[in-house]
Amino acid sequence: DAGVIQSPRHEVTEMGQEVTLRCKPISGHNSLFWYRQTMMRGLELLIYFNNNVPIDDSGMPEDRFSAKMPNASFSTLKIQPSEPRDSAVYFCASSQQGQPNNEQFFGPGTRLTVL
Amino acid sequence: TQLLEQSPQFLSIQEGENLTVYCNSSSVFSSLQWYRQEPGEGPVLLVTVVTGGEVKKLKRLTFQFGDARKDSSLHITAAQPGDTGLYLCAPNTGTASKLTFGTGTRLQVTL
Repeated sequence: DAGVIQSPRHEVTEMGQEVTLRCKPISGHNSLFWYRQTMMRGLELLIYFNNNVPIDDSGMPEDRFSAKMPNASFSTLKIQPSEPRDSAVYFCASSQQGQPNNEQFFGPGTRLTVL
Repeated sequence: TQLLEQSPQFLSIQEGENLTVYCNSSSVFSSLQWYRQEPGEGPVLLVTVVTGGEVKKLKRLTFQFGDARKDSSLHITAAQPGDTGLYLCAPNTGTASKLTFGTGTRLQVTL
């Protein structure tokens, strides 16, 4: 079975540009998470969805960040406008709530560089 | 806001050595997970501990949950280069689904 799929794997853009990161969760999973990882701050939860509904977006740093989950098989994280301090690796993860351990399965990440 | 601390931050050892890494907090957790992240990849779940005092073994890895469910340790016996990676603890505070990750211990095992 395919794991969590993220695209693109690498993104280099200039300050002020819009960036859209994409995620396809594991089929059948009903929870989806967006994380950001940097050396300074570690792995931070930005937002998570249950059954396509945003549950907790308290980790979203600013209004420049937005996330959507139009259906159970697709989610996007958008940054508009992007800034150099947004440079990080962005991970998407999914899980099946109610399964033992609520294990989260992570995608390979998108490495974003904002110049 | 809970304070979650992992130590040491960095550890470089030679193959065959033993090591222990720690995850500490002042908060009580309903459960705690350990993940390992290899370079260029996302974290992968190693184990979940639920009961205070619980010990779980995964081959050469031994995980322990503190009696008070505020801390945990991971002990690796006879480390191998394949153990290299970032070890993250992620306590669950009871909020369904949501995990908070520690900053991790970055382990390097050399030949």
